[in-house]
Amino acid sequence: QSVLTQPPSVSAAPGQTVTISCSGVTSNIGNNYVSWYQQFPGTAPKLLIYDNDQRPSGIPDRFSGSKSGSSATLAISGLQLGDEAAYYCGTWDPTLTTGRVVFGGGTKLTVL
Amino acid sequence: QVQLVQSGAEVKKPGSSVKVSCKASGGTFSKYTISWVRQAPGQGLEWMGGVIPLFGTAHYAQNFQDRVTITTDKSTRTTYMEMSGLRSEDTAVYYCAGNVNTTILYYMAVWGRGTTVTVSS
Repeated sequence: QSVLTQPPSVSAAPGQTVTISCSGVTSNIGNNYVSWYQQFPGTAPKLLIYDNDQRPSGIPDRFSGSKSGSSATLAISGLQLGDEAAYYCGTWDPTLTTGRVVFGGGTKLTVL
Repeated sequence: QVQLVQSGAEVKKPGSSVKVSCKASGGTFSKYTISWVRQAPGQGLEWMGGVIPLFGTAHYAQNFQDRVTITTDKSTRTTYMEMSGLRSEDTAVYYCAGNVNTTILYYMAVWGRGTTVTVSS
């Protein structure tokens, strides 16, 4: 059971826009920055978004992030077949005794 | 461009320990952070802990603080993750991941390729 909640799967056609939600609580997403990662099978995750809505150098502006309250959203516009991957959200969770980085369970994007 | 190069795959017996290394190469930096994230087969990402070498202390997720030790050798830019009391559920790909020129742990911009650890009798 992941601390952050994501839909297991989403799908959309090429060229369309898809959104992936990430739900938490005030203590984690509500009070901390959210990041998003893309992972293709058999490869390491890749940072797509950090600090809620910032893109690292080299990430296309088709990928965008937003946060409202204790939820965050990743939007991918102009979908391409190459976007088919798993997407994970992450944030800091200060609960328990030590605090930790927590992730969502991941969302598998299918481009129809 | 900074790269994180991890040690090779390991096969371990239940109850034993494993030590995985992660060497930062390329680029120049005075501060960086390294986290360890594992992924069991077909499962999601799980953060185990991280270290900020500039400050010298490691920070562990509660689930791992009794079995995992993260150390760093600044002279060789190598970070190690050692896990004891291995069980079959620890079979996973272990990634080192981090950031350069920052002390931020809560996201990871650079990732290693992963080290597969298999625990089997």
